[in-house]
Amino acid sequence: NAGVTQTPKFQVLKTGQSMTLQCAQDMNHEYMSWYRQDPGMGLRLIHYSVGAGITDQGEVPNGYNVSRSTTEDFPLRLLSAAPSQTSVYFCASSTRQGMNEKLFFGSGTQLSVL
Amino acid sequence: LAKTTQPISMDSYEGQEVNITCSHNNIATNDYITWYQQFPSQGPRFIIQGYKTKVTNEVASLFIPADRKSSTLSLPRVSLSDTAVYYCLVVTGGQNFVFGPGTRLSVLP
Repeated sequence: NAGVTQTPKFQVLKTGQSMTLQCAQDMNHEYMSWYRQDPGMGLRLIHYSVGAGITDQGEVPNGYNVSRSTTEDFPLRLLSAAPSQTSVYFCASSTRQGMNEKLFFGSGTQLSVL
Repeated sequence: LAKTTQPISMDSYEGQEVNITCSHNNIATNDYITWYQQFPSQGPRFIIQGYKTKVTNEVASLFIPADRKSSTLSLPRVSLSDTAVYYCLVVTGGQNFVFGPGTRLSVLP
């Protein structure tokens, strides 16, 4: 019963490096999203996807790219890491079915950019 | 999307009932109210959801008055393990979830 799986749990990057945060879900959810959480703040939406092949920007998309080639996977790419991207990143998925809709979150990736 | 306002922090003692109130003055007819709980170093998790009146599950109760402009999450007899951040969200089906800063609940022994 895996749910939403994120890897890695921790990552340290140097400014300018690139990397991909992985997210996979095994609940056949149509909707997947990426949030970042900074100290003392709520979660801010980076990108989201309502199905394979469909992605869109959230509140803070700059510096991040996404793609959705399968229902299960929704990777988040940092093309050129910056210290401002130091944060905890959460992936989430849901059925997107109105009243009974719930977000299921992964355990997060703590990213530090030096 | 309806904006929510909730206290930034609350303190309680073990065994007490905790009530966290959320204001959502511009809630729309199709919106429903959802609460999430987040422990340190974990992603938020769903705890309860409602549209009107009262909803109760094994974790909490949610009270929503007739005008739906506010809601109250009630945690009965809290323990140290209930120390967490609680988020109130107003959600329209099929739309993105917007998380505010939440309420940081500290349960003291």
